[in-house]
Amino acid sequence: DAGVIQSPRHEVTEMGQEVTLRCKPISGHNSLFWYRQTMMRGLELLIYFNNNVPIDDSGMPEDRFSAKMPNASFSTLKIQPSEPRDSAVYFCASSSRDRGTYEQYFGPGTRLTVT
Amino acid sequence: GDSVTQMEGPVTLSEEAFLTINCTYTATGYPSLFWYVQYPGEGLQLLLKATKADDKGSNKGFEATYRKETTSFHLEKGSVQVSDSAVYFCALIYTGTASKLTFGTGTRLQVTL
Repeated sequence: DAGVIQSPRHEVTEMGQEVTLRCKPISGHNSLFWYRQTMMRGLELLIYFNNNVPIDDSGMPEDRFSAKMPNASFSTLKIQPSEPRDSAVYFCASSSRDRGTYEQYFGPGTRLTVT
Repeated sequence: GDSVTQMEGPVTLSEEAFLTINCTYTATGYPSLFWYVQYPGEGLQLLLKATKADDKGSNKGFEATYRKETTSFHLEKGSVQVSDSAVYFCALIYTGTASKLTFGTGTRLQVTL
């Protein structure tokens, strides 16, 4: 099993630029989660999908953030325009609601730096 | 709402010392409980889990018992190693409803020789 795959692993961009983070969940998983981790705020859930449908986006900080899941094997998190306070590590995780315990498997993260 | 409270870190121990990281939760129902571990520069990994009261989760020498009466899920290890240095997160989820995990703030463990 390849695990959750995220790209890029590191992204450095200038304020005002568009940033797109990508995630490929584990094959067969039907729930996908986007998290953000910073020293100040810890681990925050941004949005999650069940069967490609967004269920809860209450953690998305502003309209500058958007997430899509066009199919079961791919999701994107877009920030437009980016700001320095968006600098963080962004994690994608997936789980299978069919297995009963809903344990989540995390990707390695994308470290975003906005200058 | 639901919440998870962990002891403040960092926790610094010598190798082979006994480890306890406290975790308590507030929940209206009967959640499943997890411990995740995050090694430097990596994502979170599931360490162990328990799905009902009195269950004991165990993995890699770590253990935690789901205590409904005290709403706790403390993580323990009898003899820590330098390689256990990481951040540990306690979390809960309701398996019958939403898929959303509620995490604690994390506890950093530093093990020295």
